[in-house]
Amino acid sequence: DQQVKQNSPSLSVQEGRISILNCDYTNSMFDYFLWYKKYPAEGPTFLISISSIKDKNEDGRFTVFLNKSAKHLSLHIVPSQPGDSAVYFCAALGGGTSYGKLTFGQGTILTVHP
Amino acid sequence: DAGVTQSPTHLIKTRGQHVTLRCSPISGHKSVSWYQQVLGQGPQFIFQYYEKEERGRGNFPDRFSARQFPNYSSELNVNALLLGDSALYLCASSPTAGNYGYTFGSGTRLTVV
Repeated sequence: DQQVKQNSPSLSVQEGRISILNCDYTNSMFDYFLWYKKYPAEGPTFLISISSIKDKNEDGRFTVFLNKSAKHLSLHIVPSQPGDSAVYFCAALGGGTSYGKLTFGQGTILTVHP
Repeated sequence: DAGVTQSPTHLIKTRGQHVTLRCSPISGHKSVSWYQQVLGQGPQFIFQYYEKEERGRGNFPDRFSARQFPNYSSELNVNALLLGDSALYLCASSPTAGNYGYTFGSGTRLTVV
């Protein structure tokens, strides 16, 4: 049972434009949602998070939106830069089973073209 | 400051063998978690340890075990290796068990032949 899903395997964007990465979840008991960025041969790096009681969190070029009624969150990157090209994972924390467990989506490969 | 360090970075094992992977957390972090990432998928939770006690276990067979030492470093052991165990094994550390400030290591790439 895939509790966190990223339905777009890849996304291609022009430099300077907005990148929107999407994520859907099924478990309404998740406490926090996080976005991680991963380069090849490296571990995931934390980008930004949002509490389940908020609907928006912003950090520089990165904004995460949470729509609890739709069980959907999205990561907006504005403006996109070539260095943003990586795999982006959506993850959810908690969920009523293991307190500190992160449940990851499958990932979306973002390519930003110069 | 050193980040999360994992060893070895790569290894190749034969089906049926046993493997031990090691992780040193960031200094001051008392929680270590293990994840398995199969190619094309997101990381899957295997274990979490906090203060040397198991705090969570994912949906993995009993062939997988782990422990945490007094210095908070950790080992992941896998017995009777199967081809399907080939994956990137990631270790993450955090200050406490429920703190989401996880920092991941670069992982150990395990290939089972």
